[in-house]
Amino acid sequence: EVQLAESGGGLIQPGGSLRLSCAASGFTFDRHAMAWVRHTPGKGLEWLSSMSPGGVNTYSAGSVKGRFIISRDSSKSTVYLQLNSLRADDTAVYFCARGSEKRQLVYDFWGQGTLVTVSS
Amino acid sequence: VLTQSPGTLSLSPGEGATLSCRASQSVYSNSLAWYQQKPGQAPRLLIYDASSRATGIPDRFSGSGSGTDFTLTISRLEPEDFAVYYCHHYGSLPRAFGQGTKVEIK
Repeated sequence: EVQLAESGGGLIQPGGSLRLSCAASGFTFDRHAMAWVRHTPGKGLEWLSSMSPGGVNTYSAGSVKGRFIISRDSSKSTVYLQLNSLRADDTAVYFCARGSEKRQLVYDFWGQGTLVTVSS
Repeated sequence: VLTQSPGTLSLSPGEGATLSCRASQSVYSNSLAWYQQKPGQAPRLLIYDASSRATGIPDRFSGSGSGTDFTLTISRLEPEDFAVYYCHHYGSLPRAFGQGTKVEIK
């Protein structure tokens, strides 16, 4: 059974940093692209960043480029999102998602999300 | 940029629903997906490549369209279909989502 489990969220002060983790199981991790998407009640879903199956190519939304960094560790079947210089409007539920085998940029499995709250 | 309409659709179970997603530029290779999200849950993939149903998705869900105009149709609403629906362009950067259409019970 495919499972994605996010962790690392919490309350952080503006300007701070967090590293989110997404542990994958139930599939061959190296065959799939992975992505991070966040959700806020006001804006809905926002695509943040994705990484190709081998980790060679990464892509990020302009709104977070330079602040959020995606990475993956194949030995641990885990994808990470490093969040830096956090702002109040980064408050959201952060989801990791798996790219499907047929279409790597279509997300067929999602984790349950981890809440990040940026507040002083 | 993807613009979804209407913002909210108020319908009764058994009725049909038509959701629209319009792109500001032509979508490369019809690389448009639809996701369903319920409160407190992760999104669920419904449609990809504008009209291909994802594994396990009932055939009351169908997608259509090309270029800049896309539609998600739910033929007969079941109680579990009341949710927020997002379109997503994945063919080129930025891989944006639309702002969502909420389908609520009338």
